[in-house]
Amino acid sequence: QVQLVQSGGGVVQPGRSLRLSCAASGFTFNTHAMHWVRQAPGKGLEWVGFIWYDGSNKVYGASVKGRFTISRDNSKNTVDLQMNSLRAEDTAVYYCARDPPHSGFRLDHWGQGTLVTVSS
Amino acid sequence: QSVLTQPPSASGTPGQRVTISCSGSSSNIGSQIVNWYQHLPGTTPKLLIHTDNQRPSGVPDRFSGSKSGTSASLAISGLQSEDEAVYYCSAWDDRLNALLFGGGTKLTVL
Repeated sequence: QVQLVQSGGGVVQPGRSLRLSCAASGFTFNTHAMHWVRQAPGKGLEWVGFIWYDGSNKVYGASVKGRFTISRDNSKNTVDLQMNSLRAEDTAVYYCARDPPHSGFRLDHWGQGTLVTVSS
Repeated sequence: QSVLTQPPSASGTPGQRVTISCSGSSSNIGSQIVNWYQHLPGTTPKLLIHTDNQRPSGVPDRFSGSKSGTSASLAISGLQSEDEAVYYCSAWDDRLNALLFGGGTKLTVL
């Protein structure tokens, strides 16, 4: 069955960096785009960005552009989110999610979520 | 303020039918596919409706989606207590070049 298992997260000081990882199994990883979505405490879902199935294109949300980088390793079936210059407002539960080919950005499977807390 | 506008809350009694709206524009709902997600407390968001009105396998037919122009709707019939959740609409915006989520609608079953 499809599984997305996330790791990383934790407490980090403002201005520092953190890396999240998402390990995929149970499907053909290199045919799926992958997204990161976050939810700040008491807020709704916010799209962070996504990476094409082959890693050739990446698109980011305005609030993280220039600070966050999404990468993937199709040989290891993993997708990472490198978060730099972290701010208090980046505090959130972060989810990775699968986007099947030609699906109209349908996020049909999600990771379990990982909490990132940015605080001094 | 989300680009996709949803009512912050909705409610109904068991067995009732409720509808949740999602209003957008020509650059998102008006030209792109709409998907809906259900987010139960303490769980991972779940795809509820895709491609405007299609239910993934396993989603009861009590849930239905529709779209007209720059607005979309999620309808839940035969409301059940386990439907208490936050519901989000989502669509790509080709002007912003971003995936949008509505602000979410918290559904309460009275």
